[in-house]
Amino acid sequence: ELKVEQNPLFLSMQEGKNYTIYCNYSTTSDRLYWYRQDPGKSLESLFVLLSNGAVKQEGRLMASLDTKARLSTLHITAAVHDLSATYFCAVVVIDKLIFGTGTRLQVFP
Amino acid sequence: ETGVTQTPRHLVMGMTNKKSLKCEQHLGHNAMYWYKQSAKKPLELMFVYNFKEQTENNSVPSRFSPECPNSSHLFLHLHTLQPEDSALYLCASRGPQETQYFGPGTRLLVL
Repeated sequence: ELKVEQNPLFLSMQEGKNYTIYCNYSTTSDRLYWYRQDPGKSLESLFVLLSNGAVKQEGRLMASLDTKARLSTLHITAAVHDLSATYFCAVVVIDKLIFGTGTRLQVFP
Repeated sequence: ETGVTQTPRHLVMGMTNKKSLKCEQHLGHNAMYWYKQSAKKPLELMFVYNFKEQTENNSVPSRFSPECPNSSHLFLHLHTLQPEDSALYLCASRGPQETQYFGPGTRLLVL
C-alpha cells in the first residue's frame, strides 16, 4: 500500500528559529510536490522536485528530494508568522497525486 | 487566484436533497480532478478526467456522480448524501510538470 507520511504532524515554533519538515513515501517516484494551505483556503503549489538531489528555494523555504531514500525535506529558515499554515507533500503515481497527512505549522512571536 | 474557480463556496443540504458542485478552469489544462478533504484525514482523490474521459473512480459511492462536458468544466452531482460526506471538496486541474492547480473548494455540510 502506498503511504506518504509527514512528520511532525504539528509544529509550533518561535519566530526566527529554523526547523525541518520530513516527508517519507513508500513507492518509487521521481517527482514530489509541496503545497501550502491556509485555514479555510485552497492548496497553493510551492515546489515541484523532479529528480534525485533536486533542491529548490523560495524565500525562507527550501525543499529537497532524495529519491533513493524516498525522502523529501522542507526546511524553514528564520520563521516568520506569515509562514503559519498547513504544508502537504505529495508524490505522483502515474497521473495521480498521493498526499501526505500534512504538517500544521504555527509560528509565534 | 489560480485560474480554477468553484461554486458554490459553501453548501448546506439535507440528506434527501440533490445539488451540484461546479468547477471551471481557464488554464487550458486537459485533466481535472475532484478531491475530498475531511478533518484530520489526508486529501482523498475521488475522480480523474483526462480530455473529458473519466480515467479514475477511486471507489467513490454512487451518491457522488461526476460530469465533465468539456475540458474546462467539471461537475459533481450530489444526491442522498450522508452526514459523513460533510467535507471540503476541492477541484484541481493538471498543468505543466504534472503540477495540480486547486480551486478554492466548496465547504459542504450535510444535515
